[in-house]
Amino acid sequence: GESVGLHLPTLSVQEGDNSIINCAYSNSASDYFIWYKQESGKGPQFIIDIRSNMDKRQGQRVTVLLNKTVKHLSLQIAATQPGDSAVYFCAENEETSYDKVIFGPGTSLSVIP
Amino acid sequence: DAGVTQSPTHLIKTRGQHVTLRCSPISGHKSVSWYQQVLGQGPQFIFQYYEKEERGRGNFPDRFSARQFPNYSSELNVNALLLGDSALYLCASSLSLGGWYGYTFGSGTRLTVV
Repeated sequence: GESVGLHLPTLSVQEGDNSIINCAYSNSASDYFIWYKQESGKGPQFIIDIRSNMDKRQGQRVTVLLNKTVKHLSLQIAATQPGDSAVYFCAENEETSYDKVIFGPGTSLSVIP
Repeated sequence: DAGVTQSPTHLIKTRGQHVTLRCSPISGHKSVSWYQQVLGQGPQFIFQYYEKEERGRGNFPDRFSARQFPNYSSELNVNALLLGDSALYLCASSLSLGGWYGYTFGSGTRLTVV
């Protein structure tokens, strides 16, 4: 079945450096992709999304890149801060009659002060 | 404004027991979805309810059921609990169907089955 997965389970970066978190998806029919941040003891928090008709979208300190040719999604965080330490999930929305969101396994980002 | 609220925050149950988890969506949100998150994994879709009707169901056994009330709050029920049901149960609300981009998650209910 379709699934969304991440390449690396953990990532450590120095404070101030840029972070890149990668994701591979298998459902070429997916229309929407979302990045979520989950801190310990909390639910996933929306970071940024991108539609399949786009290849790049920027937010505040974050950029999402979508490569439909190789079914790859990435999240770039500029000037990573200690508050960015969390688990990051990429997710896709299926084109069905309901809003099922399929999450990948997650990447744990640790920021080294 | 209050976000998505879930109760209880933590719960310990014995195998074979029944559990009811509750969710209050953001005011004005009519769609509620439930997810199960096993430790170390991403959330897995269980149900979506909209206007009190089930609109989607994930790959979970019939021991899992849910309902939505006229005030749009929701309950998730799990019967005959198994050890493998131990997880964080997340509720998410959105304004309407197709409003996934407005999905807001609660902090979840941590269920431990012993």
